[in-house]
Amino acid sequence: QQQVKQSPQSLIVQKGGIPIINCAYENTAFDYFPWYQQFPGKGPALLIAIRPDVSEKKEGRFTISFNKSAKQFSLHIMDSQPGDSATYFCAARRKETSGSRLTFGEGTQLTVNP
Amino acid sequence: NAGVMQNPRHLVRRRGQEARLRCSPMKGHSHVYWYRQLPEEGLKFMVYLQKENIIDESGMPKERFSAEFPKEGPSILRIQQVVRGDSAAYFCASSPQGGIQYFGAGTRLSVL
Repeated sequence: QQQVKQSPQSLIVQKGGIPIINCAYENTAFDYFPWYQQFPGKGPALLIAIRPDVSEKKEGRFTISFNKSAKQFSLHIMDSQPGDSATYFCAARRKETSGSRLTFGEGTQLTVNP
Repeated sequence: NAGVMQNPRHLVRRRGQEARLRCSPMKGHSHVYWYRQLPEEGLKFMVYLQKENIIDESGMPKERFSAEFPKEGPSILRIQQVVRGDSAAYFCASSPQGGIQYFGAGTRLSVL
């Protein structure tokens, strides 16, 4: 019940395309859902996060869509660029202020071709 | 304001040796988390510490692994008698009062 399932495992798009990465969870105690971006040899960096009381959040070219009833959320990258090529992880956390741990998805390796 | 600092970046140990991984949190952060990332996998939680206290160690293997976050100095993840299966990237994250977690660049441990 602590798992977060992420798909696809890898994704290749052309520059300007809109890659979509999906995540699903079971534990209804999760109430904070961040996305992290990781480049090879680097640590994960927070990209954008959402709480389940909103259905969508945009920051620049990155958008999270959240479906609370389906317990699913997804990341969309608008006008993708080669520099967006990285591994993306969704995660979930029970309460933001309680300091609880992050449960990560398995990751999606995104390649944006020029 | 420096980010989360981990050292060493790369560590090579032979089977049976000890590995010590260090993590200095961001300034003002009193919460530290350790995660392990095996090749081609996501990050798995290991332990959550506040100054001088272990809050949640439910992800730590029962044997050979320990962690501390002393009043002064960095947090230390210690692996005794390493085995090849311990080869992984170990990431530390810090947060202010349990908020957003910021990650370091990781320590890549290779066990020969």
